[in-house]
Amino acid sequence: GNSVTQMEGPVTLSEEAFLTINCTYTATGYPSLFWYVQYPGEGLQLLLKATKADDKGSNKGFEATYRKETTSFHLEKGSVQVSDSAVYFCALRGRTSYDKVIFGPGTSLSVIP
Amino acid sequence: GAVVSQHPSRVICKSGTSVKIECRSLDFQATTMFWYRQFPKQSLMLMATSNEGSKATYEQGVEKDKFLINHASLTLSTLTVTSAHPEDSSFYICSARDSSNTIYFGEGSWLTVV
Repeated sequence: GNSVTQMEGPVTLSEEAFLTINCTYTATGYPSLFWYVQYPGEGLQLLLKATKADDKGSNKGFEATYRKETTSFHLEKGSVQVSDSAVYFCALRGRTSYDKVIFGPGTSLSVIP
Repeated sequence: GAVVSQHPSRVICKSGTSVKIECRSLDFQATTMFWYRQFPKQSLMLMATSNEGSKATYEQGVEKDKFLINHASLTLSTLTVTSAHPEDSSFYICSARDSSNTIYFGEGSWLTVV
């Protein structure tokens, strides 16, 4: 079945550092890929998405590129801020209307001043 | 603004009682909604798929008699936690699929059973 693997956290970075959170997936066919963010005490927000190979999703300075050859969708940001402290979930969804969103385990990010 | 709304956002109930959480699609009709559960510091686990006008499909290991799901209309699905116990305390979040097959998530509901 479909599954998502993420690098384990927690990740602690200094402000303005470069961020990479690795995500790889296993799926039949060509799923859509997502990054969701959950700020402390809040619900889930869609951060960015990519629906086909080589697509790059971007939002709020975050980027991720859909790499079919490596089945990866790594999240990157060039300069993190304290306000980026949150839990980040990589997720996928298959192509059929019956497919659900499958989440990775999440990676907690703490950015310190 | 939010297109999927959950209510209540936070609820505290006594052990042994039942509590109902609502999930509404605000701007579209959703024939399918999904219910997830998230334990502290863990990922979101799919509990069940809710289909309008029919029985929900539960994931393996989820007690259907404990987590009652009703999808009586195209804009509303409810999750009722029956005979709640402290171990049911969790973050419950729903999502709804629109006619273009896009999925939207609600804001989630924090349940604390005391």
